[in-house]
Amino acid sequence: DAMVIQNPRYQVTQFGKPVTLSCSQTLNHNVMYWYQQKSSQAPKLLFHYYDKDFNNEADTPDNFQSRRPNTSFCFLDIRSPGLGDAAMYLCATSNGSSYNEQFFGPGTRLTVL
Amino acid sequence: GQNIDQPTEMTATEGAIVQINCTYQTSGFNGLFWYQQHAGEAPTFLSYNVLDGLEEKGRFSSFLSRSKGYSYLLLKELQMKDSASYLCAVRDSNYQLIWGAGTKLIIKP
Repeated sequence: DAMVIQNPRYQVTQFGKPVTLSCSQTLNHNVMYWYQQKSSQAPKLLFHYYDKDFNNEADTPDNFQSRRPNTSFCFLDIRSPGLGDAAMYLCATSNGSSYNEQFFGPGTRLTVL
Repeated sequence: GQNIDQPTEMTATEGAIVQINCTYQTSGFNGLFWYQQHAGEAPTFLSYNVLDGLEEKGRFSSFLSRSKGYSYLLLKELQMKDSASYLCAVRDSNYQLIWGAGTKLIIKP
């Protein structure tokens, strides 16, 4: 089945220790998104790739970086996690040619100690 | 600013009907989405409206009025598994999704 996969599902890191979250997709979608979602809040878009073009949201902290080495994979790097970065991180994809609905991965829940 | 408003929480009874409202103020409009999100899981797509009117899909229906900046999601024959958060999202003139905070729906036996 075509899908969006995120690893790991649960990640625990220490304050200030860099962490990388990964996302892969078999849908062959050209747009990939990273969202941060805290409890009972709306998903907050951090950035997205349209093909290789990187689009950073204006209010995304510099602490968050992303890489997309190929169509299938996208990484979220948090350089120095703070306690406020504890959240669910959702990866999503869409078919950019028609900007249809976004397909989400299961998410990675990040805990910062 | 752009804004999506939904009730924070609703309670309904198994077998009943519930309507979840969403009002929006966005820079342009290119469609409205409803997603279902179970606790601790990712959102899953439910419906899409871009023209005024009602879209029906099984037990779920979604309605849109662009002139009023208003949509609702109607869930019929409620089942316990429908207990989840329901997120309304609007695609603006830049094709960015503006998300509501979601409505937590609690189903009681």
